[in-house]
Amino acid sequence: AQSVTQLDSQVPVFEEAPVELRCNYSSSVSVYLFWYVQYPNQGLQLLLKYLSGSTLVKGINGFEAEFNKSQTSFHLRKPSVHISDTAEYFCAVSPGGTSYGKLTFGQGTILTVHP
Amino acid sequence: DADVTQTPRNRITKTGKRIMLECSQTKGHDRMYWYRQDPGLGLRLIYYSFDVKDINKGEISDGYSVSRQAQAKFSLSLESAIPNQTALYFCATSDFAHRAGGNTGELFFGEGSRLTVL
Repeated sequence: AQSVTQLDSQVPVFEEAPVELRCNYSSSVSVYLFWYVQYPNQGLQLLLKYLSGSTLVKGINGFEAEFNKSQTSFHLRKPSVHISDTAEYFCAVSPGGTSYGKLTFGQGTILTVHP
Repeated sequence: DADVTQTPRNRITKTGKRIMLECSQTKGHDRMYWYRQDPGLGLRLIYYSFDVKDINKGEISDGYSVSRQAQAKFSLSLESAIPNQTALYFCATSDFAHRAGGNTGELFFGEGSRLTVL
């Protein structure tokens, strides 16, 4: 079984400040990790994913995340946020093998960027 | 047109009514999923289908049923709706293939169907 915990339900931040959204996971097998973003009244879209290789993953809109296997974490970061980054962010984990793609999501973190 | 289309986008119904949410996709993916989103709980998997003849229960399948009518169509039914099924429902698709450097199983979501059960 696998699970995902997003450590902050809400993160307020001022425009142009850095931000980190925290995600921890647990799994008994190797996993693949994702961050999705949901803008108001829209579906989810992929920000970035870690499948293998370099532990620092770069995604769209200037976001990046670092996979830390020893700490079972996959925190999302952006060095300077914009008002348009206001959204809900979801961390997700997928098993490998034939079940690949069957995602388990965290509870979500609402990022609010203030002017 | 959207690659993953859900209908209806909004629905208000009464307790005990039968409701069907429909999903169609033009991405040619084999795998389709129904998730439910509740505030503070994230998305939880209801059912998933890895091909037309394969249907599997997810984390919270009680009170729901599904039908995979074709590769491109996957519908979710609530046989007798109850108020705690009020939620935002998402359909998603994915391509199975896990190819280095290529499409690697990413989920593609519809825009959601908001269901209110009174």
